[in-house]
Amino acid sequence: GENVEQHPSTLSVQEGDSAVIKCTYSDSASNYFPWYKQELGKGPQLIIDIRSNVGEKKDQRIAVTLNKTAKHFSLHITETQPEDSAVYFCAASPRGGGSNYKLTFGKGTLLTVNP
Amino acid sequence: DGGITQSPKYLFRKEGQNVTLSCEQNLNHDAMYWYRQDPGQGLRLIYYSQIVNDFQKGDIAEGYSVSREKKESFPLTVTSAQKNPTAFYLCASSIAPSGGLGYTGELFFGEGSRLTVL
Repeated sequence: GENVEQHPSTLSVQEGDSAVIKCTYSDSASNYFPWYKQELGKGPQLIIDIRSNVGEKKDQRIAVTLNKTAKHFSLHITETQPEDSAVYFCAASPRGGGSNYKLTFGKGTLLTVNP
Repeated sequence: DGGITQSPKYLFRKEGQNVTLSCEQNLNHDAMYWYRQDPGQGLRLIYYSQIVNDFQKGDIAEGYSVSREKKESFPLTVTSAQKNPTAFYLCASSIAPSGGLGYTGELFFGEGSRLTVL
């Protein structure tokens, strides 16, 4: 099955700096890569996703890059703000072929943005 | 507002007792899921259901049971057979994947239920 490795497990940055979280996956059939943000005491929420037919996707201060050859993808947050502090999860999902899909999550990165 | 409601938020259980966690959604989603979250771990799938009256085991189904009698409800029972039940449990829903492309839709999560076994 799919294995998703996520690094680092914790990341501390100063407000205004950039933050980068990296994930690698093992199954070359994976073609969907979402990122979820989980604030303290809440459920995760999708913040951005990318499919294997594109290499980069941006949404305001957040961007995700994908390297299918190397089987890794990264989340980039620019101009970080204290409200970006949360746990971030990457995930990968293979093509389902008409049946249900299955997301494999990384173990998460606790991002702390210091004012 | 549309969303997913999990209850209770906190639950304490004595060893040997079964406990049922509630999950209700009003998003009209066909698919529902239960995940378990432990400190420093990712989200691990317990059970999922693509349609009413049907559900499938996930990666860690042992010691758990579910039912899907209504589209909007997907309760999870943590049985006494679950050896390490203390955890944070998350329910989610999504539109069902479309055929052929294996479309993967956004997961909408509830706020979770924290179960502690005393």
